[in-house]
Amino acid sequence: EVQLVESGGGLVQPGGSLGLSCAASGFTVNMYWMGWVRQTPGKGLEWVANIKKDGSEKNYADSVKGRFTISRDNAKNSMYLHMNSLRAEDTAVYYCMRRVEGSSLRDYWGQGTLVIVSS
Amino acid sequence: HSALTQPASVSGSPGQSITISCRGTSSDVGGYIYVSWYQHHPGKAPKVIIYDVSHRPSGVSNRFSGSKSGNTASLTISGLQAEDEADYYCCSCTDNRTWVFGGGTKLTVL
Repeated sequence: EVQLVESGGGLVQPGGSLGLSCAASGFTVNMYWMGWVRQTPGKGLEWVANIKKDGSEKNYADSVKGRFTISRDNAKNSMYLHMNSLRAEDTAVYYCMRRVEGSSLRDYWGQGTLVIVSS
Repeated sequence: HSALTQPASVSGSPGQSITISCRGTSSDVGGYIYVSWYQHHPGKAPKVIIYDVSHRPSGVSNRFSGSKSGNTASLTISGLQAEDEADYYCCSCTDNRTWVFGGGTKLTVL
């Protein structure tokens, strides 16, 4: 069974850092683009970042560029999001997901991990 | 890239059909086939219901269909059911290799 499980969310002060992990099972991540999408309280979904199968390409939303870093460890079948200089507006549920290369099909998503940026 | 434009809400009675629009630009929706739609129930993971403009993943009801004309994509749900009540989001790739979601549409089944 394909599963994506996020971890690492929590409460962090503005300006602080936090690292999220996404552990995959039931498939090998090196066959897929992987990425993060967030949902802020009371608002909609926002695409955050994605990373190519071999890690050679990474793309970021303007709102997080320069502050967030996406990475992956195919040997551990996992993906990560390191977040620096966190702001109140980064408060959200962060979802990891996989995307089939050459399409817009994001067929599996995790259940999400909540990040709260507050003093 | 600004968020794609969707109506904030739509509603319909059971059995009826509704259409949700998703307006972008030639740099995103209009320029690519990589438009997808997601159904999101609060507290649950988003679920893809349409990808590549009009393709349905296996297991998704054929009551859901997608199309595109110019810079606007559309999602049609026919034979509305109570379980269709959810938030719906479109998503498109952009010409700088990023992705952008629409603002979301809340569907109410009356």
